[in-house]
Amino acid sequence: DGGITQSPKYLFRKEGQNVTLSCEQNLNHDAMYWYRQDPGQGLRLIYYSQIVNDFQKGDIAEGYSVSREKKESFPLTVTSAQKNPTAFYLCASRNARRSNTGELFFGEGSRLTVL
Amino acid sequence: DAKTTQPTSMDCAEGRAANLPCNHSTISGNEYVYWYRQIHSQGPQYIIHGLKNNETNEMASLIITEDRKSSTLILPHATLRDTAVYYCIVRVATSGTYKYIFGTGTRLKVLA
Repeated sequence: DGGITQSPKYLFRKEGQNVTLSCEQNLNHDAMYWYRQDPGQGLRLIYYSQIVNDFQKGDIAEGYSVSREKKESFPLTVTSAQKNPTAFYLCASRNARRSNTGELFFGEGSRLTVL
Repeated sequence: DAKTTQPTSMDCAEGRAANLPCNHSTISGNEYVYWYRQIHSQGPQYIIHGLKNNETNEMASLIITEDRKSSTLILPHATLRDTAVYYCIVRVATSGTYKYIFGTGTRLKVLA
């Protein structure tokens, strides 16, 4: 079945370590997004990518990095520069060729806890 | 910054219609309104979207005011499984793609 797979589902990290969250989709979608969600809060945009080898900063990109070397994959690295990385991270994709609809499809999320 | 405001929480009796309001007074003419819902610790699920006309699908109806400054999501016969956080979102065109700007959502509790 087509969908978006995020891994790992749960991750613990020591302060000062970088960690990479995986996001893979087999929906043949061009656009991909990373959001962060804190308890009781809405989603905030970290990075987004319209096509391979291109990505833009969202509203809270500081302390994060991404790459888009393949259409199917959009990994997010949470670096040691991110001051408060403990959060729920959500990856999404969109069929960019359907501009008048093009709803986001979300993965099930990765919960990162910094010890 | 969020372009939408929603009530923090609402209750609805099972079997009754749930009407969830959203204010998007700064929306531009070509920006769509989307609704998603999120059940605890899962990825948000798409419900419906619209530009200026009212829309209906198998899950819900979306009523958009004529001036487009507000909208209402209607779940016609709420069930316990509809208990979730509902997000009203504005889709903004930027740099050749779209950003989906989430607010803080409405926590809907359906009561037996």
